Amino acid sequence: DIQMTQSPSSLSASVGDRVTITCRASQSISRYLNWYQQKPGKAPKVLIYAASSLQSGVPSRFSGSGSGTDFTLTINSLQPEDFATYYCQQSYSTPRTFGQGTKVEIK
Amino acid sequence: QVQLQESGPGLVKPSQTLSLTCTVSGGSISSGGYYWSWIRQHPGKGLEWIGFIYHSGSTYYNPSLKSRLTISVDTSKNQFSLNLSSVTAADTAVYYCAREPSDSCNFDYWGQGTLVTVSS
Repeated sequence: DIQMTQSPSSLSASVGDRVTITCRASQSISRYLNWYQQKPGKAPKVLIYAASSLQSGVPSRFSGSGSGTDFTLTINSLQPEDFATYYCQQSYSTPRTFGQGTKVEIK
Repeated sequence: QVQLQESGPGLVKPSQTLSLTCTVSGGSISSGGYYWSWIRQHPGKGLEWIGFIYHSGSTYYNPSLKSRLTISVDTSKNQFSLNLSSVTAADTAVYYCAREPSDSCNFDYWGQGTLVTVSS
């Protein structure tokens, strides 16, 4: 199985901050990397697919980059509705695997 | 607009079989081009992919669950189902169904999730 490791596990930030979350795969996954946002009691929502493609309807303050084993999700100018948990997920191979999550909290 | 909806018992006894169904609306499973997945989330924990099925019936299971798992599809009802046998308390989780396009390979539509508790 491909292991996905996110850092940090949690962070505190203020509205307007720029936030960066990293995800590392245990082997190369090319650009088969997706990012999800999950709010309490809700299903995850895809933000970024194929490492850097913005899902339709997702605000442009979200962006993704990387390839191979190292990936980044950036949120520019954090908004109140962005406080949530973020997961990376590889779709390079089965079993599909997720990172452990990064909880973004209000400072 | 595609919608997915999980249904099934919220309480299952240990050693019994957990059975859930996902009903898809706004799109046809039989049209192809998508993998139909089950994903679960233990309380307060991260996401675990269980497996998926293609409209043809081809399946891919997580090896950690494979010996207890069956995923099936009923294209006439536009549904796919999960059966997980010999459950224990460790199978208590929110279970989600989700769609994965075969070209973009991300989970683009999800059900709302259903909590299944394993307890006597």
